[in-house]
Amino acid sequence: RKEVEQDPGPFNVPEGATVAFNCTYSNSASQSFFWYRQDCRKEPKLLMSVYSSGNEDGRFTAQLNRASQYISLLIRDSKLSDSATYLCVVNNGNDYKLSFGAGTTVTVRA
Amino acid sequence: EPEVTQTPSHQVTQMGQEVILRCVPISNHLYFYWYRQILGQKVEFLVSFYNNEISEKSEIFDDQFSVERPDGSNFTLKIRSTKLEDSAMYFCASSARGRLGYTFGSGTRLTVV
Repeated sequence: RKEVEQDPGPFNVPEGATVAFNCTYSNSASQSFFWYRQDCRKEPKLLMSVYSSGNEDGRFTAQLNRASQYISLLIRDSKLSDSATYLCVVNNGNDYKLSFGAGTTVTVRA
Repeated sequence: EPEVTQTPSHQVTQMGQEVILRCVPISNHLYFYWYRQILGQKVEFLVSFYNNEISEKSEIFDDQFSVERPDGSNFTLKIRSTKLEDSAMYFCASSARGRLGYTFGSGTRLTVV
C-alpha cells in the first residue's frame, strides 16, 4: 500500500465553485500533515498545515480524520490562480522527512 | 522573504559523468534535505542532513550519491556516475525546526543523455 494516496483528478471546476478532495495515509503513527501546492515544473510550496481539529486559511479548509487516516482539502470560491497540483504530505514524527502523495490536479476555468 | 537558492537551474550531462548540484539554504536553518521528482511522478525523499552528518537517507540514495556542506553555507549533492534514470528535478530544502517550516528551492532539472 502506498504511504500517501491521492485521487489524481483532474478536477475541472468553474470560477467561484467549491472543490474538495481527499488523501489517505497508511502509517497510523503519522504525526504531522500538510497540504502543499505545486505549479507546473516548480517547487512545492506550503499551502497549510493540517491540525487535528481542522483549520481554515481564507478560502481553504483542511480536515484531518485520524481514525480513518485521511486528510481533506476544500477550496471555496475558486479562482483561476488556484489551478495547480495539490500535494498531500505526511510526516511520521520519528524523523524529519516528508512523504508526498502524487498530487491532485485542479483546473479552474473562467 | 528568505529563500533557498539552487544552481544550476538546468544541467545536461552524459551518462557516466559526475554531477554536483548546489544549494544555498536559508542562513539560520539547521536541517537540510534533498528530494527528487521524476517527470510525472511524486516528490521523493533522498537524504536529510543535520549537525554536519546524514540523519536519514532513502533507498534511492545509494553509493552513487553523496552530500556535503563544504563551507557552512553551501549544501551539495553529488552523483558520481549518472544513469539515464537519474534524470529528474532535484529539490533542495531547508528548515529551522525539522519537519516544520520547510522551504524548497526552485530545483535543478537534471537531464542525463
